[in-house]
Amino acid sequence: DSGVTQTPKHLITATGQRVTLRCSPRSGDLSVYWYQQSLDQGLQFLIQYYNGEERAKGNILERFSAQQFPDLHSELNLSSLELGDSALYFCASSVAGGPNTGELFFGEGSRLTVL
Amino acid sequence: DAKTTQPNSMESNEEEPVHLPCNHSTISGTDYIHWYRQLPSQGPEYVIHGLTSNVNNRMASLAIAEDRKSSTLILHRATLRDAAVYYCILRDYSGTYKYIFGTGTRLKVLA
Repeated sequence: DSGVTQTPKHLITATGQRVTLRCSPRSGDLSVYWYQQSLDQGLQFLIQYYNGEERAKGNILERFSAQQFPDLHSELNLSSLELGDSALYFCASSVAGGPNTGELFFGEGSRLTVL
Repeated sequence: DAKTTQPNSMESNEEEPVHLPCNHSTISGTDYIHWYRQLPSQGPEYVIHGLTSNVNNRMASLAIAEDRKSSTLILHRATLRDAAVYYCILRDYSGTYKYIFGTGTRLKVLA
């Protein structure tokens, strides 16, 4: 158990809909990262937050948005869903967001299926 | 973002050492080299990281070339539980701190 909690574990929805994925980082971790993993693909970095502020952005679509709240949990919002958005979405956390961050701790992922 | 190149797949016999290579010819002086692995149906997990010197921990060893353009993850005695996708990542510590994963090496361990 990494200590990172992601909900829901599985989600099935229809095209055009909107969903919210939630991530609770490990206790004490200030930084949260979101990744997308499509079938048999590598992990695509989406976005990183550190202590409530956006720190780095990757290949995140405009239909997707994220935020980190004062209690440090994070939410990834996916809207106007398309079939191609079906994927595993991972959240990871680390103690810091800066230079000496060594280890990322990953959750078990949220599997999104868009029909 | 600096890029890494890894073989798509490798095989090893159980109880034997495994050397997983990674090329990163465009590495900059501020990039740390990280390794993660992803077991089937799980999120990735940290293995090891280093900057210039070789590193050892309970899971593995990391050998970094003198020019830092390549590195090798060494599993000293492969077990069936080591079958996973291994990712080599460069992490810039002077800028945006992103962890960019490539497609990794799928390691198959034969009993």
